Amino acid sequence: LAKTTQPISMDSYEGQEVNITCSHNNIATNDYITWYQQFPSQGPRFIIQGYKTKVTNEVASLFIPADRKSSTLSLPRVSLSDTAVYYCLVDPSEAAGNKLTFGGGTRVLVKP
Amino acid sequence: DVKVTQSSRYLVKRTGEKVFLECVQDMDHENMFWYRQDPGLGLRLIYFSYDVKMKEKGDIPEGYSVSREKKERFSLILESASTNQTSMYLCASFGGDERTEAFFGQGTRLTVV
Repeated sequence: LAKTTQPISMDSYEGQEVNITCSHNNIATNDYITWYQQFPSQGPRFIIQGYKTKVTNEVASLFIPADRKSSTLSLPRVSLSDTAVYYCLVDPSEAAGNKLTFGGGTRVLVKP
Repeated sequence: DVKVTQSSRYLVKRTGEKVFLECVQDMDHENMFWYRQDPGLGLRLIYFSYDVKMKEKGDIPEGYSVSREKKERFSLILESASTNQTSMYLCASFGGDERTEAFFGQGTRLTVV
């Protein structure tokens, strides 16, 4: 199973762009990269998913280089409400037993 | 719009009690998961199930068991609760296609006294 590595924490200020990079050196051919966001006392929720190149939605952008060994979640113009823990997850294929394992996540603190 | 429901938001139990945490999903997903979350330790996988009556140990199964008698319901059982099992417990449901997302319940904060 691909293991992910991401920074433990990041601080930012309102209006800035936040970029969180996740390393997944052992990613398999069929694996997608998914990012989740978790607020205190809540379960994680899906924010974005990609396989290669760039994906953008109303919340974030996800950049994946050609070798797919890392990915970068970009949060544009963050606000205080973006303070949360962000998890990078390499989705398992059925061949891997569908074992969803989360790493420690990146704690993002947005300051006024 | 509720997709994954955990039976209790807060629970207080005594040491040695048998504790049941229930989770129900309405998305017809094959895969369900139980995690615990403690400060500074992220989400740790306790058990998961990929089909009815099937279960697999996660990373920290000791002291826990699970039951999956119906596709929509996945129960976590603490046979004899201990104070070190005080934690936030999260249930998740996942379709299995690598392009889908996992859905989480709201969590159960269990305190064992």
